[in-house]
Amino acid sequence: DIVMTQSPDSLAVSLGETATINCKSSQNLLYGAINKNSLAWYQQKPGQPPKLLIYWASTRDSGVPDRFSGSGSGTDFSLTISSLQAEDVAVYYCQQYFRTPYTFGQGTKLEI
Amino acid sequence: QVQLVQSGAEVKKPGSSVKVSCKTSRDTFNTYAISWVRQAPGQGLEWMGGVIPIYRRANYARKFQGKLKINTDESTSTAYMELSSLSSEDTAIYYCAREGSGGYIDFWGQGTLVTVSS
Repeated sequence: DIVMTQSPDSLAVSLGETATINCKSSQNLLYGAINKNSLAWYQQKPGQPPKLLIYWASTRDSGVPDRFSGSGSGTDFSLTISSLQAEDVAVYYCQQYFRTPYTFGQGTKLEI
Repeated sequence: QVQLVQSGAEVKKPGSSVKVSCKTSRDTFNTYAISWVRQAPGQGLEWMGGVIPIYRRANYARKFQGKLKINTDESTSTAYMELSSLSSEDTAIYYCAREGSGGYIDFWGQGTLVTVSS
């Protein structure tokens, strides 16, 4: 199975500042046929299901503020949240969908 | 608006089985794969398996093979997840979710809490 490792486990950032969460895959996630990385980012707030933020490593889902951006390729990826707002407090997960079983990172708790 | 509506919370005895339903629209049922993901209390997300409803073909994570069964009912556009031989370790919120093109999950059900307790 592909192992996804996020860092850090938790992160405290001031309002208006920038938060960066890293995700490392044990295998290359580049889907050569379309030259895209099979990596997604989710945000989960307490008592809610996860919400898709980013897919194909850098494509924002519909309605997601452009403060959220994804980058990286191969095995190393990042989620950057700029101009941090109070509503961004949540746990963030990366997920690979290159191969089943799909696997998630352990999560990063973002606090203000 | 895409909706996946799951059945309600369950309390089960160790050793028993649970079946959770996930009702979708006909468009979702006929076009997309459905995954099942669980989340133990205070823990992360775990993909259990998925199904392409129109092909009735399910794919299970190795950990759940023999314990998990995913099937579908075309007449009601509903997917089902049945987990057997329950133990306390199966206490979790179970989500059904729609896979977008490629495998990322673009819509989630509201979740179903399954509690296994004697």
